Amino acid sequence: EVQLVESGGDLVQPGGSLRLSCAASGFTLSDFGMNWVRQAPGRGLEWVSYIPSSSGSTYYADSVKGRFTVSRDNAKNSLYLQMDSLRAEDTAVYYCARDDQGKHCITLDCQTFYYYSHMDVWGKGTSVTVSS
Amino acid sequence: QSVLTQPPSASGTPGQRVLISCSGSSSNLGSNTVNWYQQFPGTAPKLLIYSNNQRPSGVPDRFSGSKSGTSASLAISGLQSEDEADYYCVAWDDSLNGYVFGTGTKVTVL
Repeated sequence: EVQLVESGGDLVQPGGSLRLSCAASGFTLSDFGMNWVRQAPGRGLEWVSYIPSSSGSTYYADSVKGRFTVSRDNAKNSLYLQMDSLRAEDTAVYYCARDDQGKHCITLDCQTFYYYSHMDVWGKGTSVTVSS
Repeated sequence: QSVLTQPPSASGTPGQRVLISCSGSSSNLGSNTVNWYQQFPGTAPKLLIYSNNQRPSGVPDRFSGSKSGTSASLAISGLQSEDEADYYCVAWDDSLNGYVFGTGTKVTVL
């Protein structure tokens, strides 16, 4: 069964640090890019970060840029999110999500095509509370 | 921040058709495919529609999606009580270099 399990969420003081982990099973992590998405209490979904399948360039939402760092260890089938200088507004449930992207050919000769990307598998989330 | 705009709520009686809109810009919906997620309280989002109009295995065919230019929509035909949930559109944004989510729409079955 394809599964993602987050861990590491906790209560932390403003200015503190926390490291979230996401354990993947049922698929080869190195074949996929991965995302972190969060949801503050009573609010909508917010994309946080993306890391490609083979690391390299990483991407962040402006709200966390310079404070959060995404990384992965494909050998351990694990994804991480290092969160520093935490603020009250970082309080949320954090989800890791697998990224499925590629090229879809509309015609047989692939002269007409489009690129797609979506987050197809999600973990159940881990809760982070930033409060004194 | 939410860059894609959705109506905060939508409702219908069982059996009715409900339409949820999602409005974006040239850098997201205008350039990339749109995906839709369904979320029940306290649970993780579930992929409902991907690549504008494709349904993952197991998603009922009463859910359908479409996109035109910088707008997209999700239709729920034959509304059922178990469809009461929050729905989000999302697309990659080439300017922000990240995914952008819609503001979310709460569907209520009357």
